[in-house]
Amino acid sequence: GEDVEQSLFLSVREGDSSVINCTYTDSSSTYLYWYKQEPGAGLQLLTYIFSNMDMKQDQRLTVLLNKKDKHLSLRIADTQTGDSAIYFCAESREGYSTLTFGKGTMLLVSP
Amino acid sequence: DSGVTQTPKHLITATGQRVTLRCSPRSEDLSVYWYQQSLDQGLQFLIHYYNGEERAKGNILERFSAQQFPDLHSELNLSSLELGDSALYFCASSVGTGTDTQYFGPGTRLTVL
Repeated sequence: GEDVEQSLFLSVREGDSSVINCTYTDSSSTYLYWYKQEPGAGLQLLTYIFSNMDMKQDQRLTVLLNKKDKHLSLRIADTQTGDSAIYFCAESREGYSTLTFGKGTMLLVSP
Repeated sequence: DSGVTQTPKHLITATGQRVTLRCSPRSEDLSVYWYQQSLDQGLQFLIHYYNGEERAKGNILERFSAQQFPDLHSELNLSSLELGDSALYFCASSVGTGTDTQYFGPGTRLTVL
């Protein structure tokens, strides 16, 4: 299977919370990242979490990491229409310079 | 704005041709990475340079090559282009290597007709 897996699509209403999930297979993953890609744009780094952490909060974003289940989630509180984008989960491993990306989750926020 | 620049933004060319994509990293970064984003393959790592030296190769075709110059900008050369090479090509940069955070440029959209 894929190294990093994400659900492909999520639809929410403005003001609700969004939760985007990601699973990874490599237990040696060191950092886990969330990137955002708006239509026609590049990848914007949103946040990242080191593998020895369980949770990281940054304004409306909360990242939860369950290392035992190799599960990562990104919660966006009070989702706005401007949050509509594709969200990529990515992992890096100690000793490797590459990022391994999931296929991305398209978040659609309706008014 | 990540501070990573890429030119051109769009490129349209024909099969069999050769193109060069250019990337300028953030001023403090020594590493440059190239990624290809296509609908079927998603985001795939191509190659990594650090301070002018190749450090890692990913799923890069033999028809593709890259280099990093003394001023640290990088070029990705794609030759004998095929329809399937149509994709978004991203450059990213980081301060060092390993798990240093990578910052992405806006990408170059290549269309091969």
